[in-house]
Parts: sequence; C-alpha cells; structure tokens
Amino acid sequence: DTGVSQDPRHKITKRGQNVTFRCDPISEHNRLYWYRQTLGQGPEFLTYFQNEAQLEKSRLLSDRFSAERPKGSFSTLEIQRTEQGDSAMYLCASPRPHRGGADEQFFGPGTRLTVL
Amino acid sequence: AQSVAQPEDQVNVAEGNPLTVKCTYSVSGNPYLFWYVQYPNRGLQFLLKYITGDNLVKGSYGFEAEFNKSQTSFHLKKPSALVSDSALYFCAVRGFTGNQFYFGTGTSLTVIP
Repeated sequence: DTGVSQDPRHKITKRGQNVTFRCDPISEHNRLYWYRQTLGQGPEFLTYFQNEAQLEKSRLLSDRFSAERPKGSFSTLEIQRTEQGDSAMYLCASPRPHRGGADEQFFGPGTRLTVL
Repeated sequence: AQSVAQPEDQVNVAEGNPLTVKCTYSVSGNPYLFWYVQYPNRGLQFLLKYITGDNLVKGSYGFEAEFNKSQTSFHLKKPSALVSDSALYFCAVRGFTGNQFYFGTGTSLTVIP
C-alpha cells in the first residue's frame, strides 16, 4: 500500500456517458499526477497539479477530459461523452518531493475504465 | 523530445542467474532516470533512481542500475534472480526542465524456477 487511494477501482460505462474518478494522494505531498495506461504500454502523462493549480496538461487530454484538485487535497478526473478509446487504466501518482524534481512517484492502484 | 525505450518486451531468466532489463533514453540535458516495477494486480512501485554522481545506483529488493552517459542507457540488473522478481518493469525519465515523466513500454520479466 503506497498511501495513495483511488475510487472506484473498476468502472464500466456505456459510450456517451460521463464518468468521474477520484484520487486521494499522500496528505503531505503537494504534487499530484494523472496518467493513463493501456495494455502493453507504460503510463502516459495526462496532467499535473501543484497544490490546487493545474500546471501542465498533455495533448492527450482532449476537451472531454477535465481534472480538478480543490483545496490542494484530493483530485477528480472527469471524462465526458466517453468513447471506446477511453478504455484504459487511469493512474494517480503522489510524488515524494525531491529538490530538483527527481521525485519518486507513489502510484495508486488505478481505476480501470471499460467503455462499452 | 524526451523518451525512453525498452527494446525487449519479454525477458526470461533462470532462478539464481543474473538478470538485465534494458533501457535507453533520449533527453535534453542531464536526465533523471527511474525504474518502477508492477506486480500482477498491484500498483506501480518505485525501485530506484539516478540523479547524479555514482553511475551504479542501488535500489529496493537487491536491484541496481547502471547509468551510461555515452550509450544513453540505464539498464536494470540483479546478480541473482528470484522467482518472486517476475513482474513488469518500467523505465522512466524526467528531463531537466518540465514536470513530465516519460515511461517506457515495459519489459515483462519471467524468472524460471
């Protein structure tokens, strides 16, 4: 257990529906990452928060995707009008800060999304 | 562009033999390099990282990695493999600027009893 929790662990939805995932990071870590992992691939960066500020977003993050981190604590990732191509494991990571940025990432167990 | 490559999808090694999982990187400036492991039905776990200094980095579970700047490689090694080392291994890099981490496609390691 890394101390990072994600909810739900599994989500099955129909194409066109909206889904929302939650991540609770390690409380003393002020940074938070969202990644997407598909079968046979490594995690792909989606977005990054420092406290409540969303500082970077990947080009993978279309306008159907939105992420928030109110008050710099938990974070949510919402996908609107889901498509079958959105089926993947969505990972949250809570980095242990390191001066210079060589952060060790603590990953949550992920939310597996299946879009039918 | 910053990236890592893991040229082997699958590595098989006999228990007790040394193992190597390969990783090469492409990054502007000095890289921060990482190895993570993913056991079946479990999340990714940090193994070790290279920032600067000694080219041989020691990490968790007896793993080590060798940074080679001239070959732009960061291979993961272990002197004696255990069956319990069987898992998916990911190399990752963070460039000197920016906040993004880039992961390789992973190498599935199977240690044969």
